[in-house]
Amino acid sequence: DGGITQSPKYLFRKEGQNVTLSCEQNLNHDAMYWYRQDPGQGLRLIYYSQIVNDFQKGDIAEGYSVSREKKESFPLTVTSAQKNPTAFYLCASSLGLAGGPADTQYFGPGTRLTVL
Amino acid sequence: EDQVTQSPEALRLQEGESSSLNCSYTVSGLRGLFWYRQDPGKGPEFLFTLYSAGEEKEKERLKATLTKKESFLHITAPKPEDSATYLCAVQGWGTASKLTFGTGTRLQVTL
Repeated sequence: DGGITQSPKYLFRKEGQNVTLSCEQNLNHDAMYWYRQDPGQGLRLIYYSQIVNDFQKGDIAEGYSVSREKKESFPLTVTSAQKNPTAFYLCASSLGLAGGPADTQYFGPGTRLTVL
Repeated sequence: EDQVTQSPEALRLQEGESSSLNCSYTVSGLRGLFWYRQDPGKGPEFLFTLYSAGEEKEKERLKATLTKKESFLHITAPKPEDSATYLCAVQGWGTASKLTFGTGTRLQVTL
């Protein structure tokens, strides 16, 4: 089955710790994204990557870091510098069409991070 | 800056009672408008992409339409399993495929 997997489903972190969220896709998509979802707010873009070994900051990148060493994988690290990390984190991927028709994003199941 | 506003925030329908969800948007050149369904604790599930004003798409009891300023998601004769949050997002030209999301409409369909 083609799709996007995220792990773990639930993650608990103590204050001051860094944690890494995993995102893997087997859709052969070039572009990958990380979003954060909080109650009552729309999904907000943290980081995105259009190609291996390259990534850009989204709207709320402070306190987060990413890497894109393989096409299939786009892990997100939530650092201790992120002031309010408790949220639902969603990974997405798309073909990464630079032009032409709209580039549909497909989402993984999400990781719920709770800071204790 | 792209903006998306969805209304109502929440909607409660009885089974079989048709209604519409609204998505108003501003974008500097629309590349696409997307509708997703999200169940509690899960990732958004893709429903539709609309590309230009006048376009319509259907899937089972759902029909999405698009004008130059808004999109509607029409739900015909809903069933309890249609209960979910419906998200609207826009993608503009020159934004590297980034999406701007609305806050969603939470739909509950009761027997």
